[in-house]
Formats: sequence, C-alpha cells, structure tokens
Amino acid sequence: ETGVTQSPTHLIKTRGQQVTLRCSSQSGHNTVSWYQQALGQGPQFIFQYYREEENGRGNFPPRFSGLQFPNYSSELNVNALELDDSALYLCASSALGQGTDTQYFGPGTRLTVL
Amino acid sequence: AQSVSQHNHHVILSEAASLELGCNYSYGGTVNLFWYVQYPGQHLQLLLKYFSGDPLVKGIKGFEAEFIKSKFSFNLRKPSVQWSDTAEYFCAVKWGNEKLTFGTGTRLTIIP
Repeated sequence: ETGVTQSPTHLIKTRGQQVTLRCSSQSGHNTVSWYQQALGQGPQFIFQYYREEENGRGNFPPRFSGLQFPNYSSELNVNALELDDSALYLCASSALGQGTDTQYFGPGTRLTVL
Repeated sequence: AQSVSQHNHHVILSEAASLELGCNYSYGGTVNLFWYVQYPGQHLQLLLKYFSGDPLVKGIKGFEAEFIKSKFSFNLRKPSVQWSDTAEYFCAVKWGNEKLTFGTGTRLTIIP
C-alpha cells in the first residue's frame, strides 16, 4: 500500500460524456501525476500538478484537464469522451523538490467508454 | 524522442530459474531509472530505483538491476524466481526534469 487512493474504482460512460476522476496523494507529497494505461501498454504521462499548477504535460488534447487542491489531492477531467479513452487511469504522488522524485502509484480507475 | 524499450514482451520461466529482463533507453544525459511491478489485480509498485552512485542497485524481493551507461541499459535480474513473481514488469526513465517515460512492459509467467 502506498497511501495513494483513487476514486471511483470503475466507471462506465458513453461517448461524448464528461468524467471526473479523483486522487488523494500520499502524506507528505506535494505533486500529483496522471497517467493513462491502455490495455497491454505501459502508462502514458498525461500531466503533472505541483503546488496547484500544471507542471508539465504529455501528448494529450486539451479536453484532458486537471486540478490540484491545497491539500494536494487532484482531479482529472475528460470532456467529450471518445471510445479510445477507455483505459486504466493512474495517479502517482511524489515529493518534488525534496531530493528525490520517486512516484508512488494508486490502484487506478478503470474507465470504459461505450 | 525519448523512449524506453523492453524487448521481451512475454517471458515464461520455471521456478528457481534465473531471470533477466532487458530495458534500454533512447539517449543519455542525466537519468533516473526505475523498475515497477504490477501483480495481478494490484497497483504498480516500486521494485527498485537508480539515481546515482553504485550502478548495481538492489531492490525488494531479491531483485537487482545494473545501470550500464555506455549501453543505455538498466536490466532487471533475479537469481532464482518464484511462482509469486508472476506479474507485469515496467521499466521507467526520467531524463533531468522531464516526465517519467515507461516501457511497454514485460509479462512474466512463472510455472510451478
């Protein structure tokens, strides 16, 4: 157990809908990163939040957006869902600027888009 | 472009066999290197990491990895595998302040 929690565990949506995924970071961590893991693939970096601001973004369209709150928890929002958005969404927390940048992962949210 | 290659997609071994999983990355510079494991139905867990110093790194559950800078490699090894090592293994690399980049993973199946 890493102390990183995500909700919900599973989610089913239809194409065109919007979804919000949530993540609580490990105690003492100030940074949250989001990843998309398609079936049979490694996690792909979506973006990172540090001190409530976006701190780097991967190759994902603007309909993927996020927030980080003062308690360092975070949300991932996806608008206008597409079938290809079906994946496991992982959240990882880390302590940026504190000597190491090891990321600890939550259990993920399995999103299915029909 | 930054990339991480894991050439072994699926490895099948018998218990007590030795294991080596390959990981290569696209170019050098300052790198932080990681191996993560994903057991069936569980979340990604950190096995070991290399930031600097001794290129032979020891992790949890008897795993180790060797950083060979000249070969851009960070192969994972275990001298004697157990059935409980059945899992998906991911190599990940972080260049400087850039994002963490994962390989596509290697599925390891251990036959009792």
